[in-house]
Amino acid sequence: AQSVSQHNHHVILSEAASLELGCNYSYGGTVNLFWYVQYPGQHLQLLLKYFSGDPLVKGIKGFEAEFIKSKFSFNLRKPSVQWSDTAEYFCAVRIYNTDKLIFGTGTRLQVFP
Amino acid sequence: NAGVTQTPKFRVLKTGQSMTLLCAQDMNHEYMYWYRQDPGMGLRLIHYSVGEGTTAKGEVPDGYNVSRLKKQNFLLGLESAAPSQTSVYFCASSPQDGLAGHEQYFGPGTRLTVT
Repeated sequence: AQSVSQHNHHVILSEAASLELGCNYSYGGTVNLFWYVQYPGQHLQLLLKYFSGDPLVKGIKGFEAEFIKSKFSFNLRKPSVQWSDTAEYFCAVRIYNTDKLIFGTGTRLQVFP
Repeated sequence: NAGVTQTPKFRVLKTGQSMTLLCAQDMNHEYMYWYRQDPGMGLRLIHYSVGEGTTAKGEVPDGYNVSRLKKQNFLLGLESAAPSQTSVYFCASSPQDGLAGHEQYFGPGTRLTVT
């Protein structure tokens, strides 16, 4: 069965540190890729998505992600995190021509001032 | 434009009781979804609907039923609640596949505790 792996379960950083969260999926065909963020006590919001075209995708709040097809990866990056980035981050994959998203287990990010 | 709303926000049930969670969206989306979120397990799809009058099973459908009688509403029912159904339930909707890339819009969640 298709799956999405987020190997970093809990990441702790100081403000201004750089961030990279890993996301790998297991499917060899065409995919759409998403990163969602869930701030404490809130619902999931879309950070960015890859649909087609340029594999480097820029999202809100200075986040970006790079789709590397050969590595089945869609890692999330931010050059300098802020305390307000403290949240849980979910990677999700949609197999082309299906109706469902497959979510990873999430990465909890804590940023300390 | 409220987006996706869920009622109730919190609920405590005793084992064996039943309840219905309501999801409503005002974006005229075709697709609607019910997920449960548990620590360390991410979001798991319970049931979903690709249009009014249609439903389909997701990854963890057992113990739940759904109905989509109106396009804007998607109901999740628990006929006989069990402690294993203690979770946070999220509803989501998305437009029919197209340039939108199937982005899903989420509701605020319902925290359910079954004792």
